[in-house]
Amino acid sequence: DVVLTQSPLSLPVTLGQPASISCRSSQSLVYIDGKTYLTWFHQRPGQSPRRLIYEVSTRDSGVPDRFSGSGSGTDFTLKISRVEAEDLGLYYCMQGSHWPPNFGQGTRLEIK
Amino acid sequence: QVQLVESGGGLVKPGGSQRLSCAASGFNFSDYYMSWIRQAPGKGLEWLAYISGNGHTIYYADSVKGRFTISRDNAKASLFLQMHSLRVEDTALYYCARQYGGYPLNDAFDIWGQGTMVTVSS
Repeated sequence: DVVLTQSPLSLPVTLGQPASISCRSSQSLVYIDGKTYLTWFHQRPGQSPRRLIYEVSTRDSGVPDRFSGSGSGTDFTLKISRVEAEDLGLYYCMQGSHWPPNFGQGTRLEIK
Repeated sequence: QVQLVESGGGLVKPGGSQRLSCAASGFNFSDYYMSWIRQAPGKGLEWLAYISGNGHTIYYADSVKGRFTISRDNAKASLFLQMHSLRVEDTALYYCARQYGGYPLNDAFDIWGQGTMVTVSS
């Protein structure tokens, strides 16, 4: 199975400052159709996950443009240009290119 | 609005059974594949199973294959997870989530329910 490794596992941030989360895959996530099925989710404390970004860099409707996704092959990054209080919580990457689909272990974004 | 609401969780003894439900509203349920995903206390997310819109295509994670059964009733816009031979390690918050299409998961889990807690303990 593909292993997704997120780093860091904990990310203390100052509000208004940028933040970056890495997701590395044990295998290339490029599917045979040439697309890459890497998705990012955010989970606030006590809430369900919310999808932010799919296919590496496509933001979901309603997701602020301070969130951006990038990467290719095995290395992917979620960036927040200026962290706001509502951004705190857990972030997960997920791959859908290989069977079975699976998630990274999560990165906790917290206030420094 | 688009919504998923899970129910059916509770306390069950090891070896027991439980049936979870997920009621969908605000979208054409039969157009979408659906998945069950769980989150053990303090842990990450684990995909468990998905079912196609017409119910004909079903896949399971190895961890639940042979013990859990996913099904749906499109007339009632409902998704189900029948769980048998439950183990302590099945204790988790169980979510249903919507996906557009099956493998590869290119447009998956855009909508999640609030989850229903299953606790397996003697």
